[in-house]
Amino acid sequence: DAGITQSPRHKVTETGTPVTLRCHQTENHRYMYWYRQDPGHGLRLIHYSYGVKDTDKGEVSDGYSVSRSKTEDFLLTLESATSSQTSVYFCAISEEGQYTEAFFGQGTRLTVV
Amino acid sequence: DQQVKQNSPSLSVQEGRISILNCDYTNSMFDYFLWYKKYPAEGPTFLISISSIKDKNEDGRFTVFLNKSAKHLSLHIVPSQPGDSAVYFCAATRGSSNTGKLIFGQGTTLQVKP
Repeated sequence: DAGITQSPRHKVTETGTPVTLRCHQTENHRYMYWYRQDPGHGLRLIHYSYGVKDTDKGEVSDGYSVSRSKTEDFLLTLESATSSQTSVYFCAISEEGQYTEAFFGQGTRLTVV
Repeated sequence: DQQVKQNSPSLSVQEGRISILNCDYTNSMFDYFLWYKKYPAEGPTFLISISSIKDKNEDGRFTVFLNKSAKHLSLHIVPSQPGDSAVYFCAATRGSSNTGKLIFGQGTTLQVKP
């Protein structure tokens, strides 16, 4: 298994509170991603990073911010959680190069009440 | 606008028979396609991929076929086993770089009956 650790694995939070999810990798891969999975939508890209301090928006970035201060850590922050952000969040990593596959973490189940 | 579509939400097959999972895409810029398998409460795991220069790629019991003119790919599992029961996602991207920037289909739940 690729060395990807997501924390926490489960979280329940209240509407309006800030939440930070952490992704830690031990593979030294350049690229890191945050996806969310919702019924009927598959996985959708929220934000990604192509290096330390280099990030960009994905398909569903509204309401989320990210930071990458070290190669191994990629943080996803919900500044003010809403019920629509109840989802399962997956971190992924991929190495530099063409036609390589991405590896996913175990996921974080977030419930906003 | 769904750029990658898996039109069958579920599929049920008998153990030992062939499972065929289908996927369609609309964006002609996609040139790299991947299949992921997902068990409940786990992350997706990479299964097999194909680039647009090929029309077939095999890995053991798993074969992916790509029909570029139809913008269609399929995953064949032969023979199917009960342990193959999972959700299967197809995904597409541009393979030249940053290949984890994926567009996923909605997923197909495969059930293999003993």
